Amino acid sequence: SAVISQKPSRDICQRGTSLTIQCQVDSQVTMMFWYRQQPGQSLTLIATANQGSEATYESGFVIDKFPISRPNLTFSTLTVSNMSPEDSSIYLCSVGRWGETQYFGPGTRLLVL
Amino acid sequence: DQQVKQNSPSLSVQEGRISILNCDYTNSMFDYFLWYKKYPAEGPTFLISISSIKDKNEDGRFTVFLNKSAKHLSLHIVPSQPGDSAVYFCAASGDSGTYKYIFGTGTRLKVLA
Repeated sequence: SAVISQKPSRDICQRGTSLTIQCQVDSQVTMMFWYRQQPGQSLTLIATANQGSEATYESGFVIDKFPISRPNLTFSTLTVSNMSPEDSSIYLCSVGRWGETQYFGPGTRLLVL
Repeated sequence: DQQVKQNSPSLSVQEGRISILNCDYTNSMFDYFLWYKKYPAEGPTFLISISSIKDKNEDGRFTVFLNKSAKHLSLHIVPSQPGDSAVYFCAASGDSGTYKYIFGTGTRLKVLA
């Protein structure tokens, strides 16, 4: 397994602003994933971030709204841009290697007013 | 279209008894299934997995059963303990050889002392 940390753990933001969430892993991993869990909902994959290439976004998610960086094998950021109350969610990063189980970070709880 | 379904949003079980959490899926291409446990304010924690070549996998108090013909899997916890109280998510992957996890909506288990 891997030890994963996220910053911030929670935040309250005003609509129209942006928030960047950081994900740090204690070992090198090939794949990092960003998920969203809206209140009472399941975990939904936003995008996959592989080092050295652009992130791959799932249907319904676009780069302009959720830009992602993956500068090295232990770190990634997700920005939630031009936020609205509908973006209030828990944002989670996870890491994995091909064919192996994904492990999740503790999550970032975001409230947009 | 919800490809992975957990039809019971909540379950209460007496301590020491068996907890059975159910999950149904619709995509016959899924070949790897997992269960995650999530406590409030924490990220999901991997619990147990099963490959489609098996119909049962055990790890201590936790057993996952897979019925491919019925597209159904279940998690058995025996004996249940108050510390098992959490939200349990099932997930599936393997569609078109991808590593993407599709999560169910979760079942909140409460183990009563």
